[in-house]
This record gives sequence, structure tokens and C-alpha cells, in this order.
Amino acid sequence: EAGVAQSPRYKIIEKRQSVAFWCNPISGHATLYWYQQILGQGPKLLIQFQNNGVVDDSQLPKDRFSAERLKGVDSTLKIQPAKLEDSAVYLCASSLDQGSYGYTFGSGTRLTVV
Amino acid sequence: QKEVEQNSGPLSVPEGAIASLNCTYSDRGSQSFFWYRQYSGKSPELIMFIYSNGDKEDGRFTAQLNKASQYVSLLIRDSQPSDSATYLCAVNIDTGRRALTFGSGTRLQVQP
Repeated sequence: EAGVAQSPRYKIIEKRQSVAFWCNPISGHATLYWYQQILGQGPKLLIQFQNNGVVDDSQLPKDRFSAERLKGVDSTLKIQPAKLEDSAVYLCASSLDQGSYGYTFGSGTRLTVV
Repeated sequence: QKEVEQNSGPLSVPEGAIASLNCTYSDRGSQSFFWYRQYSGKSPELIMFIYSNGDKEDGRFTAQLNKASQYVSLLIRDSQPSDSATYLCAVNIDTGRRALTFGSGTRLQVQP
């Protein structure tokens, strides 16, 4: 089975610019997650979708971050405007159910804000 | 208090030894526990999960869970240089809703 696809693989932007990341989960996986991983730290949940509905976005900085999952498949995470502290790897993951057996991560997008 | 705590390491063990990685969690309602391995520059990959108190073995890996002590560990037997990576402990408080909460990881170095 194909894995979780993410793009772009790398992105460098200046602060105050906007950026968008794309994720295509494993086929049939209803639950999709976006995590932020800052260097030297563990992944931190930004948002969890169940189909096309938001389950948990309590840690999403909503003044600058937004995410959507159209038709319950692909998802896009956007940052506008970016800050220096947003430099991190953005990981997308999906699971068949709501994560009872763990989930599969994509290769991530490494964002550098300069 | 952090929800999931791990010693950042590095934990250095010689090739062939047993590596012991530890993790504590704060929420007594936690239901399921996961270990992920992350190579430098790569994304996390699932190694094992455990739900019940006791041990669960899979090849060279053994996960141990003690809910009373809020403690979960991962043992790697016959450690190989290829096991050198960061090991992330993750906890699911409510399997019906909440996503995994990750610790900051323990870096393991296996010396040839």
C-alpha cells in the first residue's frame, strides 16, 4: 500500500510570508493528523481530522495557522504570516481508526523561516 | 509537569548489549502506549504498542508497561549499530478521540 504523501519536502521562506503544505493519507484512512516537530523535540499535535471534520485543534495557533481536509481525503496546512519560531518539520500522519494501533507518518516538510 | 517524559540521552551501549529506554506519563487515564523510532532526518516509524500491564515481545524488542507506576519501557536485545536512533514514547489517553502525545525522545547510540 502507498504511504502517506507530503509535499513539498523542503521550504525556505522569509518571515511574514505565507506557506502551504499538502498531505495525502493512506487510502481508506479516516483519521489525519498534522504534527509540528521542532529540532530536538518530540512531535506536537497541531490538528486532528476525522474524515473532513475537526476532532482536536486545541494546540493550533489559529491566528496564523489554518488547516482543511476537503472531501475527507487530502489535507492542506497553511501558515500566514510565518514567524521565525515556525521553523520545524511538519509531519502528516494517518490512521485507519482513531489511532488505536498507532499511525503512519509521511516523510514530512522541513520549513525554514529566515 | 510534562505529559510524557523521557531522558534525552544520549544512551550509549556497546554492540550486542541490552538497551533500556524509559518513559513516564502523567495521566492515569492513559490507555495505550507506543514506541516509535526516528532516524536522523527521517520521520517516526512505529516499533511496538502495548495496552496491558506486563511485557510484550516482538523479535529483539520488548515493551514493558506498569500502569500503577505510570511507567513504560522498551528493551532492545542484541543491540546493533543500526539501532542508533531517537526513540519516541507516545501515549494515547483516550483511544476514542485523543491523538498521541509524544515525549521528546531518547537518543540511542550503539557503539560497534
